[in-house]
Amino acid sequence: QIQLVQSGPELKKPGESVKISCKASGYTFTDYAMHWVKQVPGKGLKWMGWINTYTGKPTYADDFKGRFVFSLEASASTANLQISNLKNEDTANVFCASTDGGYGDWFAYWGQGTLVTVSS
Amino acid sequence: DIQMTQSPASLSASLGETVTIECRASEDIYSNLAWYQQKPGNSPQLLIYDANSLADGVPSRFSGSGSGTQYSLKINSLQSEDVASYFCQQYNNYPYTFGAGTKLELK
Repeated sequence: QIQLVQSGPELKKPGESVKISCKASGYTFTDYAMHWVKQVPGKGLKWMGWINTYTGKPTYADDFKGRFVFSLEASASTANLQISNLKNEDTANVFCASTDGGYGDWFAYWGQGTLVTVSS
Repeated sequence: DIQMTQSPASLSASLGETVTIECRASEDIYSNLAWYQQKPGNSPQLLIYDANSLADGVPSRFSGSGSGTQYSLKINSLQSEDVASYFCQQYNNYPYTFGAGTKLELK
């Protein structure tokens, strides 16, 4: 069965960096796009952008340009999100979510989420 | 950006009841709409895509409808396991945007 398994929770100080991983299994990694979604605890969902797992080309939502980098380790079926110069407002649960090969970008599969806490 | 206005923000219903959640887009999204269910402490789960297509494994008491800018999710015969938050999402234009969510509780 298809699974996305994310790395564990992170506690960071403002100004530090963090790297979150999302390991896919149960399908050919390059077949489905990988998206990233932010959720502040108790709040709604915000789309951060996506990475084409075949070409490696990332696309960022405007609010996530500059300090956010999507990358791949395709040989390990893993997508990564690195956030640099962390701010308090980056505190959130971050999900990876993949499509399922349909023509539209609905998120058929989700990771379990990685809680990033930024606090001095 | 396309704004997704979801209503109601919260909803209390009895077991066996039928509930409807609405989502209005700020412009035509041509049925490029998905609905997700999220239970506390869990990641969202896909319920509906393309406005009215049921995702694999989702009970048939869930259904979606709508077109243009107006969409709805209906849950027939409410079950206790349906207590959750529900979100709509448009994937017609970047940036993809979500509704603010509806929290469904049992009366």
